[in-house]
Amino acid sequence: DTAVSQTPKYLVTQMGNDKSIKCEQNLGHDTMYWYKQDSKKFLKIMFSYNNKELIINETVPNRFSPKSPDKAHLNLHINSLELGDSAVYFCASSPQLAGGPNEQFFGPGTRLTVL
Amino acid sequence: DQQVKQNSPSLSVQEGRISILNCDYTNSMFDYFLWYKKYPAEGPTFLISISSIKDKNEDGRFTVFLNKSAKHLSLHIVPSQPGDSAVYFCAASARSSNTGKLIFGQGTTLQVKP
Repeated sequence: DTAVSQTPKYLVTQMGNDKSIKCEQNLGHDTMYWYKQDSKKFLKIMFSYNNKELIINETVPNRFSPKSPDKAHLNLHINSLELGDSAVYFCASSPQLAGGPNEQFFGPGTRLTVL
Repeated sequence: DQQVKQNSPSLSVQEGRISILNCDYTNSMFDYFLWYKKYPAEGPTFLISISSIKDKNEDGRFTVFLNKSAKHLSLHIVPSQPGDSAVYFCAASARSSNTGKLIFGQGTTLQVKP
């Protein structure tokens, strides 16, 4: 009964490849997020979706494209992978976008290594 | 431009003593603050939060203090237990932005020694 799940947990791939990371939440939340934790351990927001609508799109390269088929899923597709994309990617969800406490629930992370 | 800063990368305390983790922020629009705890190979888990209309929030062994004039918050854990050893992230949001965006500090690694 995992609340926020991500697959895969580990992903090792070559430069130039295209890969996807999947995220699912069974909490009934309206909002989902993608974060990147780089080698310096900073957790930075990349995208957020509210009821399948894109809300936040930080200055992320166009090679990164989130897709939300429904409000329980937010997938992250990365084209033409580069060495600098190596990081841990966390998916998160929260009950609502605004108007109340914004406690976000995180998945276990996907460690992406680009060789 | 790091809007949320945790200037101590690590902290070591003895079991049973108090752990104090600090966090500073620069954006006066932030009105909601959260602490997350993270174990290795796991995602961050929510610990405790505080709204800017309060200066203290307590939940069991965890208390968060907010000093708005100093733009400073701290997390107190008392008594500290070995299971508290983890990375602690401070986060802030401006709820008026209606984006749900959280800005995280870089984390403080807490080690509680038995």
